[in-house]
Amino acid sequence: GAGVSQSPSNKVTEKGKDVELRCDPISGHTALYWYRQSLGQGLEFLIYFQGNSAPDKSGLPSDRFSAERTGGSVSTLTIQRTQQEDSAVYLCASSLTRTTDTQYFGPGTRLTVL
Amino acid sequence: RKEVEQDPGPFNVPEGATVAFNCTYSNSASQSFFWYRQDCRKEPKLLMSVYSSGNEDGRFTAQLNRASQYISLLIRDSKLSDSATYLCVVNGDFGNEKLTFGTGTRLTIIP
Repeated sequence: GAGVSQSPSNKVTEKGKDVELRCDPISGHTALYWYRQSLGQGLEFLIYFQGNSAPDKSGLPSDRFSAERTGGSVSTLTIQRTQQEDSAVYLCASSLTRTTDTQYFGPGTRLTVL
Repeated sequence: RKEVEQDPGPFNVPEGATVAFNCTYSNSASQSFFWYRQDCRKEPKLLMSVYSSGNEDGRFTAQLNRASQYISLLIRDSKLSDSATYLCVVNGDFGNEKLTFGTGTRLTIIP
């Protein structure tokens, strides 16, 4: 079946602009995660959605970052007033229900802020 | 101290050799442990979960040492296709169970 998809695959933007990154999880997966990975760094947790519960936003690095998940499916990560340090690969993952179920990752969105 | 620490490598190992790497974690309340594999410029994929009693999947063996708070991955009869970065992953306390990923250990198998 279809895996996790993300769009766009690459995004180049100018400092100060807003960007939106999209994630389509695997159908039926109630848990959805956003991570980012900078060059040579590990995955940094950003936000976690589980069903209808309030999202765990504890990993968002600043108030410029926000995410929503509509209808329990598609999610959008928005970064406002982008900065150069936001440049990274943004990875979305989904799992069946819990964080400890296998997380299936999308191919990521490579964001470059000039 | 980092929540999850790994030797970044690189480990350059001849084909057919056995290689092992460890990972230490700081949260003694962690209950779930995993190894994920990430190929160059690709997304991570689950390699195997790590169980208290240790577990094996073909050429791969994972072990957990709760007393010393480390997990290990052993790869026997290494293949060229094993070249990748191996990510150690640990969950948090009950009620805060999001996963923490290590920065990974890079492995290159040499023909």
